[in-house]
Amino acid sequence: EAGVAQSPRYKIIEKRQSVAFWCNPISGHATLYWYQQILGQGPKLLIQFQNNGVVDDSQLPKDRFSAERLKGVDSTLKIQPAKLEDSAVYLCASSRGASLRNEQFFGPGTRLTVL
Amino acid sequence: GENVEQHPSTLSVQEGDSAVIKCTYSDSASNYFPWYKQELGKRPQLIIDIRSNVGEKKDQRIAVTLNKTAKHFSLHITETQPEDSAVYFCAASIGGDKLTFGTGTRLAVRP
Repeated sequence: EAGVAQSPRYKIIEKRQSVAFWCNPISGHATLYWYQQILGQGPKLLIQFQNNGVVDDSQLPKDRFSAERLKGVDSTLKIQPAKLEDSAVYLCASSRGASLRNEQFFGPGTRLTVL
Repeated sequence: GENVEQHPSTLSVQEGDSAVIKCTYSDSASNYFPWYKQELGKRPQLIIDIRSNVGEKKDQRIAVTLNKTAKHFSLHITETQPEDSAVYFCAASIGGDKLTFGTGTRLAVRP
């Protein structure tokens, strides 16, 4: 099966600019996650979707970050305006559903550099 | 919320030796503990996982042990090979849902 797709792979912007990332999960996967991975750290969950509904966005900085999954398939994550500390790799992951039997598969990530 | 600590942050072993990475977690309700391998510039990939109803799981050269009482779990890699060189992350979750990751261990296997 095809893996999780993300684009763009790399993005360089200046602080206070806006940026958007796109994720296409594995076909049939109901659950979609966005993680932020700062250099030298483990991934940190930003938001979790179950189909097109938000399950957990407790760690999403809602003053500048937003995400949507309108049709329960693709998802976009937006940052507006970006700060220097947003420089990180943004990983999208998907799973069949949220249960012990369902492995999370990660995409290649989008590496964001904020100057 | 859950907090996962991981040690050591770097580990260097001779090819053929064993490597052990240890993690502790804080939330006694956590019941799913996966381990991910991330090569430089690549995506994290699941290498093994363990659920709280078992104490040990093996898959060829890789094994994971879980001590629920002490709230710690460990990854054991035997007969290490250069291709095992990567960053390894442990994680914990309740029900396989939201994963809380450790800070990672950079493993270097010297040929």
